Amino acid sequence: DGGITQSPKYLFRKEGQNVTLSCEQNLNHDAMYWYRQDPGQGLRLIYYSQIVNDFQKGDIAEGYSVSREKKESFPLTVTSAQKNPTAFYLCASSRGAADTQYFGPGTRLTVL
Amino acid sequence: GQQVMQIPQYQHVQEGEDFTTYCNSSTTLSNIQWYKQRPGGHPVFLIQLVKSGEVKKQKRLTFQFGEAKKNSSLHITATQTTDVGTYFCAGELIQGAQKLVFGQGTRLTINP
Repeated sequence: DGGITQSPKYLFRKEGQNVTLSCEQNLNHDAMYWYRQDPGQGLRLIYYSQIVNDFQKGDIAEGYSVSREKKESFPLTVTSAQKNPTAFYLCASSRGAADTQYFGPGTRLTVL
Repeated sequence: GQQVMQIPQYQHVQEGEDFTTYCNSSTTLSNIQWYKQRPGGHPVFLIQLVKSGEVKKQKRLTFQFGEAKKNSSLHITATQTTDVGTYFCAGELIQGAQKLVFGQGTRLTINP
Protein backbone atom coordinates (compact mmCIF):
# COMPACT_ATOMS: atom_id res chain seq x y z
CA ASP A 1 0.00 0.00 0.00
CA GLY A 2 1.89 3.05 -1.26
CA GLY A 3 1.85 6.36 0.50
CA ILE A 4 3.54 8.92 2.65
CA THR A 5 3.52 8.65 6.42
CA GLN A 6 4.31 11.08 9.19
CA SER A 7 4.73 10.34 12.83
CA PRO A 8 3.65 11.11 15.38
CA LYS A 9 0.27 12.73 14.68
CA TYR A 10 0.51 14.89 17.81
CA LEU A 11 3.71 15.95 19.53
CA PHE A 12 4.26 17.97 22.67
CA ARG A 13 7.62 19.38 23.69
CA LYS A 14 8.97 21.76 26.24
CA GLU A 15 10.40 25.07 25.12
CA GLY A 16 14.12 24.86 24.40
CA GLN A 17 14.11 21.24 23.26
CA ASN A 18 14.92 20.10 19.75
CA VAL A 19 12.38 17.76 18.21
CA THR A 20 12.53 15.62 15.05
CA LEU A 21 9.49 14.93 12.89
CA SER A 22 9.47 11.80 10.79
CA CYS A 23 8.45 11.59 7.11
CA GLU A 24 8.64 8.37 5.09
CA GLN A 25 7.40 7.60 1.57
CA ASN A 26 7.29 4.39 -0.43
CA LEU A 27 6.20 6.01 -3.68
CA ASN A 28 9.74 5.99 -5.08
CA HIS A 29 9.56 9.77 -5.41
CA ASP A 30 12.73 11.79 -5.87
CA ALA A 31 11.46 15.05 -4.40
CA MET A 32 10.31 15.67 -0.84
CA TYR A 33 9.10 18.79 0.97
CA TRP A 34 8.33 20.17 4.40
CA TYR A 35 5.64 22.79 4.93
CA ARG A 36 4.44 24.65 7.96
CA GLN A 37 0.78 25.63 8.34
CA ASP A 38 -0.50 27.93 11.06
CA PRO A 39 -4.23 28.00 11.97
CA GLY A 40 -6.32 29.36 9.12
CA GLN A 41 -3.23 30.06 7.05
CA GLY A 42 -1.63 28.73 3.90
CA LEU A 43 1.37 26.48 3.32
CA ARG A 44 4.84 27.86 3.89
CA LEU A 45 7.79 25.94 2.50
CA ILE A 46 10.50 25.13 5.02
CA TYR A 47 12.90 22.87 3.09
CA TYR A 48 12.80 20.72 0.00
CA SER A 49 14.96 18.04 -1.50
CA GLN A 50 15.02 17.03 -5.14
CA ILE A 51 17.49 14.18 -4.74
CA VAL A 52 19.17 12.14 -2.06
CA ASN A 53 21.95 13.93 -0.16
CA ASP A 54 20.84 17.34 -1.41
CA PHE A 55 18.31 19.84 -0.08
CA GLN A 56 17.48 23.53 -0.36
CA LYS A 57 16.07 26.11 1.99
CA GLY A 58 12.52 27.23 1.44
CA ASP A 59 10.92 30.48 2.53
CA ILE A 60 11.11 29.93 6.30
CA ALA A 61 14.12 27.68 6.94
CA GLU A 62 15.48 29.54 9.97
CA GLY A 63 15.32 27.39 13.11
CA TYR A 64 14.84 24.15 11.16
CA SER A 65 17.18 21.51 9.78
CA VAL A 66 16.73 18.47 7.53
CA SER A 67 18.63 15.52 6.14
CA ARG A 68 18.09 13.30 3.11
CA GLU A 69 20.28 10.27 3.55
CA LYS A 70 17.74 7.88 2.00
CA LYS A 71 15.31 8.38 -0.83
CA GLU A 72 12.41 7.27 1.35
CA SER A 73 13.08 9.49 4.33
CA PHE A 74 13.20 13.25 4.94
CA PRO A 75 13.19 14.02 8.68
CA LEU A 76 12.72 17.58 9.92
CA THR A 77 14.31 18.84 13.14
CA VAL A 78 12.71 21.80 14.82
CA THR A 79 15.50 23.38 16.83
CA SER A 80 15.34 25.54 19.92
CA ALA A 81 16.27 28.47 17.67
CA GLN A 82 12.79 28.40 16.10
CA LYS A 83 11.01 31.16 17.96
CA ASN A 84 7.43 30.03 17.47
CA PRO A 85 7.43 26.31 16.61
CA THR A 86 3.84 25.44 17.51
CA ALA A 87 2.18 24.63 14.18
CA PHE A 88 0.90 21.90 11.86
CA TYR A 89 3.77 20.38 9.85
CA LEU A 90 3.09 18.72 6.52
CA CYS A 91 5.47 16.56 4.54
CA ALA A 92 4.96 15.94 0.83
CA SER A 93 6.64 14.09 -1.98
CA SER A 94 6.53 14.22 -5.77
CA ARG A 95 8.05 12.30 -8.64
CA GLY A 96 9.88 15.35 -9.93
CA ALA A 97 10.47 18.90 -8.80
CA ALA A 98 7.21 20.43 -10.05
CA ASP A 99 5.04 17.34 -10.28
CA THR A 100 1.91 16.61 -8.28
CA GLN A 101 2.61 16.57 -4.59
CA TYR A 102 1.29 13.88 -2.28
CA PHE A 103 0.94 14.97 1.30
CA GLY A 104 1.26 13.02 4.51
CA PRO A 105 -1.35 13.33 7.28
CA GLY A 106 0.74 15.92 9.13
CA THR A 107 2.14 16.33 12.64
CA ARG A 108 0.67 18.86 15.07
CA LEU A 109 3.52 20.15 17.20
CA THR A 110 2.78 22.01 20.41
CA VAL A 111 5.61 23.58 22.34
CA LEU A 112 4.72 24.29 25.95
CA GLY B 1 9.89 36.93 -4.38
CA GLN B 2 7.79 35.38 -7.05
CA GLN B 3 4.35 34.60 -5.74
CA VAL B 4 1.10 33.07 -6.68
CA MET B 5 -1.74 35.17 -5.27
CA GLN B 6 -5.11 33.67 -4.46
CA ILE B 7 -8.37 35.47 -3.70
CA PRO B 8 -10.53 35.63 -1.75
CA GLN B 9 -8.87 34.45 1.45
CA TYR B 10 -12.24 33.44 2.93
CA GLN B 11 -15.67 32.80 1.45
CA HIS B 12 -18.85 31.89 3.26
CA VAL B 13 -21.87 30.77 1.22
CA GLN B 14 -25.27 29.29 1.70
CA GLU B 15 -25.57 25.67 0.61
CA GLY B 16 -26.61 25.63 -3.02
CA GLU B 17 -24.85 28.87 -3.92
CA ASP B 18 -21.95 28.95 -6.32
CA PHE B 19 -18.35 29.60 -5.30
CA THR B 20 -15.29 30.79 -7.21
CA THR B 21 -11.67 31.21 -6.19
CA TYR B 22 -9.07 32.95 -8.32
CA CYS B 23 -5.36 32.44 -8.67
CA ASN B 24 -3.01 35.02 -10.21
CA SER B 25 0.68 35.10 -11.00
CA SER B 26 2.84 37.96 -12.24
CA THR B 27 4.93 35.37 -14.07
CA THR B 28 3.84 32.94 -16.75
CA LEU B 29 3.15 29.48 -15.39
CA SER B 30 4.12 26.19 -17.01
CA ASN B 31 1.13 24.55 -15.38
CA ILE B 32 -1.22 25.01 -12.48
CA GLN B 33 -2.50 22.49 -9.98
CA TRP B 34 -5.40 22.65 -7.55
CA TYR B 35 -5.58 20.99 -4.16
CA LYS B 36 -8.30 20.67 -1.50
CA GLN B 37 -7.67 20.46 2.23
CA ARG B 38 -10.59 19.37 4.38
CA PRO B 39 -10.71 20.80 7.94
CA GLY B 40 -8.17 18.95 10.06
CA GLY B 41 -6.81 17.11 7.03
CA HIS B 42 -4.03 17.41 4.52
CA PRO B 43 -4.05 18.84 0.98
CA VAL B 44 -5.20 16.43 -1.70
CA PHE B 45 -4.52 16.90 -5.40
CA LEU B 46 -7.58 17.69 -7.51
CA ILE B 47 -6.38 18.50 -11.02
CA GLN B 48 -3.62 19.90 -13.22
CA LEU B 49 -4.02 22.32 -16.13
CA VAL B 50 -1.27 22.71 -18.68
CA LYS B 51 -2.58 24.31 -21.86
CA SER B 52 -3.43 27.95 -22.44
CA GLY B 53 -7.21 28.48 -22.11
CA GLU B 54 -7.75 24.94 -20.85
CA VAL B 55 -11.03 24.12 -19.11
CA LYS B 56 -11.60 20.94 -17.16
CA LYS B 57 -14.62 19.74 -15.23
CA GLN B 58 -15.05 17.35 -12.35
CA LYS B 59 -18.75 16.99 -11.63
CA ARG B 60 -19.72 20.37 -10.09
CA LEU B 61 -16.16 21.74 -10.22
CA THR B 62 -14.89 23.69 -13.22
CA PHE B 63 -11.23 24.62 -13.55
CA GLN B 64 -9.88 27.18 -16.01
CA PHE B 65 -6.39 28.21 -17.04
CA GLY B 66 -6.05 31.68 -18.54
CA GLU B 67 -5.02 32.37 -22.10
CA ALA B 68 -1.81 34.03 -20.93
CA LYS B 69 -1.16 31.20 -18.45
CA LYS B 70 -0.92 33.71 -15.61
CA ASN B 71 -4.24 33.06 -13.92
CA SER B 72 -6.64 30.28 -13.08
CA SER B 73 -9.98 29.80 -11.42
CA LEU B 74 -11.94 27.09 -9.68
CA HIS B 75 -15.73 27.36 -9.78
CA ILE B 76 -18.08 25.16 -7.78
CA THR B 77 -21.70 25.06 -8.87
CA ALA B 78 -24.40 24.55 -6.24
CA THR B 79 -22.15 24.00 -3.25
CA GLN B 80 -22.75 21.14 -0.85
CA THR B 81 -21.53 20.75 2.72
CA THR B 82 -18.94 18.27 1.49
CA ASP B 83 -17.24 21.13 -0.38
CA VAL B 84 -16.13 22.74 2.88
CA GLY B 85 -12.38 23.16 3.10
CA THR B 86 -9.46 25.20 1.86
CA TYR B 87 -8.67 25.24 -1.84
CA PHE B 88 -5.09 25.88 -2.90
CA CYS B 89 -3.70 26.61 -6.32
CA ALA B 90 -0.06 25.83 -7.03
CA GLY B 91 1.84 26.96 -10.08
CA GLU B 92 5.13 26.05 -11.64
CA LEU B 93 6.83 29.26 -12.70
CA ILE B 94 8.43 29.16 -16.15
CA GLN B 95 11.32 31.25 -14.90
CA GLY B 96 13.16 30.48 -11.71
CA ALA B 97 13.62 27.35 -9.63
CA GLN B 98 11.71 24.32 -10.83
CA LYS B 99 9.20 23.90 -8.05
CA LEU B 100 5.58 24.50 -7.25
CA VAL B 101 4.60 27.76 -5.61
CA PHE B 102 1.41 27.52 -3.57
CA GLY B 103 -1.17 30.26 -3.26
CA GLN B 104 -2.38 31.25 0.19
CA GLY B 105 -5.58 29.28 -0.22
CA THR B 106 -9.28 30.15 -0.09
CA ARG B 107 -11.14 28.84 2.91
CA LEU B 108 -14.73 27.91 2.04
CA THR B 109 -17.37 27.57 4.72
CA ILE B 110 -20.98 26.65 3.98
CA ASN B 111 -24.17 27.38 5.85
CA PRO B 112 -26.47 24.35 5.47
